[in-house]
Amino acid sequence: QKEVEQDPGPLSVPEGAIVSLNCTYSNSAFQYFMWYRQYSRKGPELLMYTYSSGNKEDGRFTAQVDKSSKYISLFIRDSQPSDSATYLCAMSHDSGGGADGLTFGKGTHLIIQP
Amino acid sequence: DGGITQSPKYLFRKEGQNVTLSCEQNLNHDAMYWYRQDPGQGLRLIYYSQIVNDFQKGDIAEGYSVSREKKESFPLTVTSAQKNPTAFYLCASSIFGQQYFGAGTRLSVL
Repeated sequence: QKEVEQDPGPLSVPEGAIVSLNCTYSNSAFQYFMWYRQYSRKGPELLMYTYSSGNKEDGRFTAQVDKSSKYISLFIRDSQPSDSATYLCAMSHDSGGGADGLTFGKGTHLIIQP
Repeated sequence: DGGITQSPKYLFRKEGQNVTLSCEQNLNHDAMYWYRQDPGQGLRLIYYSQIVNDFQKGDIAEGYSVSREKKESFPLTVTSAQKNPTAFYLCASSIFGQQYFGAGTRLSVL
């Protein structure tokens, strides 16, 4: 069983829709959870960083963590064509940015149709 | 501008050749990382360094080597022992639990 599972998509939604992206994981030691956005042929950009269970909101983005279900989500409200990208979830068990590196999902390719 | 600079953007390797990818950061971060990304795959950790003159192997270190002589610099050498080097290579640094990435180097085999 892979440590982090993420549906690769593509996920195609109309502009203005609410987007839900998800990851499941198996390692209960993960405490820190991140979402990155990666445009084609570019480096990943950190979008959200959360610790343990709960919600965090930043503008149109909301990150949710449910440690009991080992399930994390990223919601995008009022989606825009510029949100079209690959979204990677990542997690670690320590606070040092993953002292031994982060564990990534494979990424979900999101397409927002104008 | 603060950030992580990777060079070159594109690199070609001939059979039996070693090539070195550059990563420089001016963010004053202690920790630095190298990841490899293949199409449809997540990022996989090659090497990481928490402090100058110290580094550790990641999940896929075979065929790669690194050095960390300065806090700002963490170059990655892809050796001839790496039989499948074609990939997108990403360098990152971290502070307060958050990792930040460079723009990447795309390596291809001639």
